[in-house]
Parts: sequence; C-alpha cells; structure tokens
Amino acid sequence: QKEVEQNSGPLSVPEGAIASLNCTYSDRVSQSFFWYRQYSGKSPELIMSIYSNGDKEDGRFTAQLNKASQYVSLLIRDSQPSDSATYLCAVNKDNFNKFYFGSGTKLNVKP
Amino acid sequence: ETGVTQSPTHLIKTRGQQVTLRCSSQSGHNTVSWYQQALGQGPQFIFQYYREEENGRGNFPPRFSGLQFPNYSSELNVNALELDDSALYLCASQEQAPSNEQFFGPGTRLTVL
Repeated sequence: QKEVEQNSGPLSVPEGAIASLNCTYSDRVSQSFFWYRQYSGKSPELIMSIYSNGDKEDGRFTAQLNKASQYVSLLIRDSQPSDSATYLCAVNKDNFNKFYFGSGTKLNVKP
Repeated sequence: ETGVTQSPTHLIKTRGQQVTLRCSSQSGHNTVSWYQQALGQGPQFIFQYYREEENGRGNFPPRFSGLQFPNYSSELNVNALELDDSALYLCASQEQAPSNEQFFGPGTRLTVL
C-alpha cells in the first residue's frame, strides 16, 4: 500500500470554477501535510501546509484535513489557466524525518 | 525563488560511473532532504541531513550516499550508476519545527546512458 494516494487525473475544469484535489494517506501517525504545485519541467513549489483538522485558507486556496478519515484536500477557487499544473500531496511523519509524496494530480484549467 | 540552489542543472553519465550532485540550502535552514523524481511520478525520499548527520532514509540502496557540510550545504553521491537512476534529483531545504515546510531547489536532471 502506498503511503500517499492521489488520482492522477487529468482533472479538467473551466476557468473561474472551483478545482477540488484529493489525497489519502495510509499511516495514522502522519503529522504534517503539504500541497505542492509543479509545472512541467520545474521543481515543486509549496502552496499550503496544514497540521490540524479543519480548513486553512490562503487566498484562492483552501486546504482541508480530516485525520479520522486520513484525507487531505485542496480547493482552488476562481481557477485560472495559470493554475494548470500537477499538484502533489505530501505527508510528514517519523518525528519529521521522512516525507512521502503522492504521484500527483494533473489539473487542466480551460479558458 | 526559494533561495535553494543546485548544481549542475543537467548531467549525462554512463552506466557504472559515479556522480556527485550539490545543493546549497536556504539561509537559516540546517536540514536538507534529497529526492529522486522519475518522469510522471512524485518525488521519492532518499535521505535527510540535519546538522551534518543523516537523520532519516528512504528505501534506497547504500550506493546512494550523502554529506552535509558545516555551512549546511549538501552533496548527493551515487555510485555504480544504473539506467534506472535517470531522474530529476531534488534538494529541499527545511524550516525548523513546528513548520517543517520544505522548499525545493530547481533540481538536477541526470541521464544515465
């Protein structure tokens, strides 16, 4: 079983819509959770971090964490074509020494 | 820009050779992690260094080794290169707890022929 699972997509949404990206993780001891955006040929860029149950908002982005369901999501409001990228979910455990990434979900925002 | 730099940008090696990749972490960060990212996959954790000591390791063989220097810059060494080692190698500089946020450098694209 993979540590972090994501739907590979592609997820296609029209410009201005809400994009919803999901991630599940296997180990309940996971402590910290991160969303990264990666454009083709570039390195991952940190978007959001979340550490406790509930929602965390930053501009057009909202991260949601449900530790009971071992589920993390990222909502992107008012999606723009420039949001088209692969979104990576990452979890951190083992006293912060190990990070595990999902394979990423490819998002296409159509003008 | 994250302030994390890596060199070289691209590298071509042949099977069996050895390679050294370098990383300079963001100012104030004493923890560095290395990742391997194959095409179409997420980054795979290789190992982490904290204050010059290996502080955690993923499922990579011993021919993947590293160093961290007093200025917190780091090296990744790979011996006996195999074709499957062809990938993007990423270095991530990490903030202290409780944040633990990691910031990636631009990566080194390694091709093994």
